[in-house]
Amino acid sequence: NAGVTQTPKFQVLKTGQSMTLQCAQDMNHEYMSWYRQDPGMGLRLIHYSVGAGITDQGEVPNGYNVSRSTTEDFPLRLLSAAPSQTSVYFCASRHPGNSGNTIYFGEGSWLTVV
Amino acid sequence: DAKTTQPNSMESNEEEPVHLPCNHSTISGTDYIHWYRQLPSQGPEYVIHGLTSNVNNRMASLAIAEDRKSSTLILHRATLRDAAVYYCILSVSTGANNLFFGTGTRLTVIP
Repeated sequence: NAGVTQTPKFQVLKTGQSMTLQCAQDMNHEYMSWYRQDPGMGLRLIHYSVGAGITDQGEVPNGYNVSRSTTEDFPLRLLSAAPSQTSVYFCASRHPGNSGNTIYFGEGSWLTVV
Repeated sequence: DAKTTQPNSMESNEEEPVHLPCNHSTISGTDYIHWYRQLPSQGPEYVIHGLTSNVNNRMASLAIAEDRKSSTLILHRATLRDAAVYYCILSVSTGANNLFFGTGTRLTVIP
């Protein structure tokens, strides 16, 4: 049982480049989400999904796209990277339907945009 | 969004109890109180959660005020491995049950 797996762990991009952060979970969780964490800050919600084919925006969605074609995978796409997107990105998953359910986080992806 | 307020930082001596406070005056009746912690260069890790009653697990205890407007995470014997940022989070009971993080409390454990 691997839990939540994110790749890559580290990435350096040039301004304007595009890339996809991958996230996969093997716990059959319907709910998945992406957060970003800037230095000294808490996590901010980018996008989330409550099931395959369903996505929605969080607090800071601009500059990011997501899709959810399977229960297991929830990739985050940066279409045209900007220095302001330099951050640590965390993917998370949980069973939905009850706000008492535990959320599981990946180990993070460190992204630098130069 | 449901908000929480925590002190920015706290210190504790090793092997002493630690009480980490959190205020959540806007909590609604069905919102759960979650605590997560984040060690350096790692993702947040679940610690404990509760709704109304006090909760205990192998990591910590959670004491919830009777009016639910505040709670306290209790680490019974702090170790150096407990040094982390601790987040008190309300998991709202509507919509997608998203978690909203504040800036947390940075706990320093003194040997």
